[in-house]
Amino acid sequence: AQTVTQSQPEMSVQEAETVTLSCTYDTSESDYYLFWYKQPPSRQMILVIRQEAYKQQNATENRFSVNFQKAAKSFSLKISDSQLGDAAMYFCAYIVRNRDDKIIFGKGTRLHILP
Amino acid sequence: DGGITQSPKYLFRKEGQNVTLSCEQNLNHDAMYWYRQDPGQGLRLIYYSQIVNDFQKGDIAEGYSVSREKKESFPLTVTSAQKNPTAFYLCASSIGQATGELFFGEGSRLTVL
Repeated sequence: AQTVTQSQPEMSVQEAETVTLSCTYDTSESDYYLFWYKQPPSRQMILVIRQEAYKQQNATENRFSVNFQKAAKSFSLKISDSQLGDAAMYFCAYIVRNRDDKIIFGKGTRLHILP
Repeated sequence: DGGITQSPKYLFRKEGQNVTLSCEQNLNHDAMYWYRQDPGQGLRLIYYSQIVNDFQKGDIAEGYSVSREKKESFPLTVTSAQKNPTAFYLCASSIGQATGELFFGEGSRLTVL
């Protein structure tokens, strides 16, 4: 079965520091997408970053970057220069590309930013 | 502005009553989804629809019903058969399921008294 595991239910980081959120997944597929979604206290989920499995280069979006290790089935999110607005639940997600499958979410990591 | 609108934001219901949560999108997306979110459980898929007049059960469809009569609208009814309906409900849409990129509404908090 395809699963997504986030082993850190909660994390804290000092403002302006760097933090890494972990995600591992289990799949026998070779072509898929991976995502990090952010859910702030306002509760509306937004996409932070997306990675195509066929691309070797790690995706980056401003202060957010991923470390995608396909062989290890690992997809961690690094947040640099953490800001108070980064406080949120972060969900890792996976979907097989170009197939009629459902997106699979991890259970989330709650990130606290310490001023 | 394009987006997804869920209403109501907060809803209280007595046991034994059905309640319908509204979800409307103006993104011209084909696919729409309903998720339930409980603390420590992540997001669990209730129902999804890829085209008008068609929908499929997700992982926890029991006690819920949906309709998709218009592309823009995907209402969710929480029936009295749902044994533990108090939860946060999220509606989402996407261009197509295989793209994976979901756009979410702000959610509806349902509390059963």
